[in-house]
Amino acid sequence: DAGVIQSPRHEVTEMGQEVTLRCKPISGHDYLFWYRQTMMRGLELLIYFNNNVPIDDSGMPEDRFSAKMPNASFSTLKIQPSEPRDSAVYFCASTPGGRGGEKLFFGSGTQLSVL
Amino acid sequence: AQKVTQAQTEISVVEKEDVTLDCVYETRDTTYYLFWYKQPPSGELVFLIRRNSFDEQNEISGRYSWNFQKSTSSFNFTITASQVVDSAVYFCALSEAIQGAQKLVFGQGTRLTINP
Repeated sequence: DAGVIQSPRHEVTEMGQEVTLRCKPISGHDYLFWYRQTMMRGLELLIYFNNNVPIDDSGMPEDRFSAKMPNASFSTLKIQPSEPRDSAVYFCASTPGGRGGEKLFFGSGTQLSVL
Repeated sequence: AQKVTQAQTEISVVEKEDVTLDCVYETRDTTYYLFWYKQPPSGELVFLIRRNSFDEQNEISGRYSWNFQKSTSSFNFTITASQVVDSAVYFCALSEAIQGAQKLVFGQGTRLTINP
């Protein structure tokens, strides 16, 4: 099993540009999560999906952020327009789901720098 | 609301010392899960352990051990005879056990440095 795959590993962009982060979950996992990690706020849950449907997006910071999951094997997190304060590591994670409390499998993260 | 507190921001010890990382949690749920994850310098998040709220038995895995106490809402992590490779940021996390709800809330993390 290849694990959760995120791309790109690193992204450097200028303020105002659109940024798209990509994630391929582990095959067969019903849940997909997007987390953001910063020094100030630690690991924050942005949004999660169950069977491709967004369940809770209360962590999405503002309208500049959007996430989609068009099918079971692909998700994107888009920031438009990007701002320097969006600089962070963005993690995608997946889990098989079930009764709750399942272990999350994390991708390697995307280090985003907005200049 | 659920909350996880790791009061120790940074810990630095000399190799072979024992070290305990503290984790205190808050939840109104009677059924929940607790986790520890390790984030080495390479950046990935590595799962270490999961405990459910009905299992208060302590767990040992090699040099790692975990002490879960519901009475004090704590889930502490001890590394015995620490090694330089244990240097990492360690996160404690809490998840509620509700069908369809998989929100994992993380503590702020403890940066552990093991000096040779």
